[in-house]
Amino acid sequence: DTAVSQTPKYLVTQMGNDKSIKCEQNLGHDTMYWYKQDSKKFLKIMFSYNNKELIINETVPNRFSPKSPDKAHLNLHINSLELGDSAVYFCASSAIGRNTEAFFGQGTRLTVV
Amino acid sequence: DAKTTQPNSMESNEEEPVHLPCNHSTISGTDYIHWYRQLPSQGPEYVIHGLTSNVNNRMASLAIAEDRKSSTLILHRATLRDAAVYYCILRWGYSGAGSYQLTFGKGTKLSVIP
Repeated sequence: DTAVSQTPKYLVTQMGNDKSIKCEQNLGHDTMYWYKQDSKKFLKIMFSYNNKELIINETVPNRFSPKSPDKAHLNLHINSLELGDSAVYFCASSAIGRNTEAFFGQGTRLTVV
Repeated sequence: DAKTTQPNSMESNEEEPVHLPCNHSTISGTDYIHWYRQLPSQGPEYVIHGLTSNVNNRMASLAIAEDRKSSTLILHRATLRDAAVYYCILRWGYSGAGSYQLTFGKGTKLSVIP
């Protein structure tokens, strides 16, 4: 039973489209995250979110928005996709605290053409 | 944010121990030291974490310097499956954030030679 699952695994779309990536965790964690890993393999945090607070990395364009229908889900919506959005996107979750373990999904490879 | 410094790459022979160093000279007293690894084409995977004392688990050991300004991840017997990028991360946060972010650096790419 996968702890953090993302769908789809691969997503190819045209510039200007709007797309969503879904993420679900079955660990009962309070906090979920979205990371972007670009072609240089650098992992950058985009958002961290619990049911009380959304923390946005200031470098993330406002075309990206997280949506959480419930505690177990944090979906990533992207409007007006650009070529530079091509990357692998990882969802993660953890309990609150500095000494807790984070679990990551397998990633969604987004290609914008 | 407190920063970490790791070598870009390291090599190890299979079945030999591997010591992966990390410097974090600006660590604060409440930062936990976390290690994650990322195997090719997979998401990051938790390895181990600690605060002040050395830690052991089934995957690895974490040795933390007495002044906490450096730490070493120890893989006791490297296998081919251990070839990955290893990230040393200081996990910080404050009660208002509610989230305690993990900020990844460039990590150390470990190659294991058969």
